[in-house]
Amino acid sequence: QLQLQESGPGLVKPSETLSLTCTVSGGSISSSSYYWGWIRQPPGKGLEWIGSIYYSGSTYYNPSLKSRVTISVDTSKNQFSLKLSSVTAADTAVYYCARHDVLVGVSPDYWGQGTLVTVSS
Amino acid sequence: DIVMTQTPLSSPVTLGQPASISCRSSQSLVHSDGNTYLSWLQQRPGQPPRLLIYKISNRFSGVPDRFSGSGAGTDFTLKISRVEAEDVGVYYCMQATQLTTFGQGTKVEIK
Repeated sequence: QLQLQESGPGLVKPSETLSLTCTVSGGSISSSSYYWGWIRQPPGKGLEWIGSIYYSGSTYYNPSLKSRVTISVDTSKNQFSLKLSSVTAADTAVYYCARHDVLVGVSPDYWGQGTLVTVSS
Repeated sequence: DIVMTQTPLSSPVTLGQPASISCRSSQSLVHSDGNTYLSWLQQRPGQPPRLLIYKISNRFSGVPDRFSGSGAGTDFTLKISRVEAEDVGVYYCMQATQLTTFGQGTKVEIK
């Protein structure tokens, strides 16, 4: 059974860089059938796609966040990571990692449980 | 950017009765490969979202057949034929034709 688990600091200071890692178990990240993505959800609000990466390293970012986002993949560790720079309180959210399966319309079919990141001094 | 607009934003329903959610995109979701990458997801309270429907009308593995999706181009609908207590939550449409965007979400609650 595929599992995804987010990890990283739960508290980040304003203007610093948020860094999260998603560890994939029960399956390989190096498959041509999947993209791997980050999605966030501010408290009490809706979902916002941050970006996705293919195992080859090709990346796709939300235009509204593109200047601050970097997503990378480490196939040797079966992990992919998110870096969001110059954070403000507006970046406080639950951050989810997810698998996007090409065979189901590039839809996110497996999700991590999410990790709350608070931006505060 | 493709904007996804859902209506209604809140839907109180009676158990056993049908429910319907609409989703409209700001431009056609037909991809150059001929597919329409429109999905529906359910988020129960305190849980991550769960995929229900992909490519307009295909139920994902394990999804009950009371959920159905329809539509084309820019207008799409999710229907629940008979709402059950476990269907309470927020429903999102999502497009993956051009990058990815979500609708605002529709809260389904029991009257």
